[in-house]
Amino acid sequence: QKEVEQDPGPLSVPEGAIVSLNCTYSNSAFQYFMWYRQYSRKGPELLMYTYSSGNKEDGRFTAQVDKSSKYISLFIRDSQPSDSATYLCAMSASQGAQKLVFGQGTRLTINP
Amino acid sequence: GAGVSQSPRYKVTKRGQDVALRCDPISGHVSLYWYRQALGQGPEFLTYFNYEAQQDKSGLPNDRFSAERPEGSISTLTIQRTEQRDSAMYRCASSVSGFSLDEQYFGPGTRLTVT
Repeated sequence: QKEVEQDPGPLSVPEGAIVSLNCTYSNSAFQYFMWYRQYSRKGPELLMYTYSSGNKEDGRFTAQVDKSSKYISLFIRDSQPSDSATYLCAMSASQGAQKLVFGQGTRLTINP
Repeated sequence: GAGVSQSPRYKVTKRGQDVALRCDPISGHVSLYWYRQALGQGPEFLTYFNYEAQQDKSGLPNDRFSAERPEGSISTLTIQRTEQRDSAMYRCASSVSGFSLDEQYFGPGTRLTVT
């Protein structure tokens, strides 16, 4: 079993829809949770990060962490065609440990 | 400013040959990371450096893989006696500091194909 599981999709939704992306994990030591966005033929770019449980909002994006369930989510409101990309969750066990463990990535397409 | 650069962008090599992949991090970044990304998968950690010191090499698959960063800037990932299973995108990332959870900035990657 992988440490981080992410549904690879693909996920296709109409423009303006609310998108929900999710990851589950097995390592209870993970405390730092990140979402990266990767456009085709590009490297991943950090979208959001959260520490421990709770919610964090940044514009149209909201990240949620539920450590008790070992489950994290990324919500995208008012989705735009420019949001079409692969979304990767990533996790780290401690602030000083730079080893990120990534999920498989979910390929998202927003249709105009 | 310039981002992380990697060279070559594409490398095709025959099984059994050695390859060296280069990473030039963002200027002034203390930490440098190497990941391997298979098609349709997320990046898989290989190793990382703070300055010239290799801090963690637990992700290197076997002793054919090695990395160095001798002057604390440019890094080279070397794969000896390449095998077909080594074919993947090799990505480098750098961050400002190795002592907090700073954003890792990824390079464009080197696509390695072993024939």
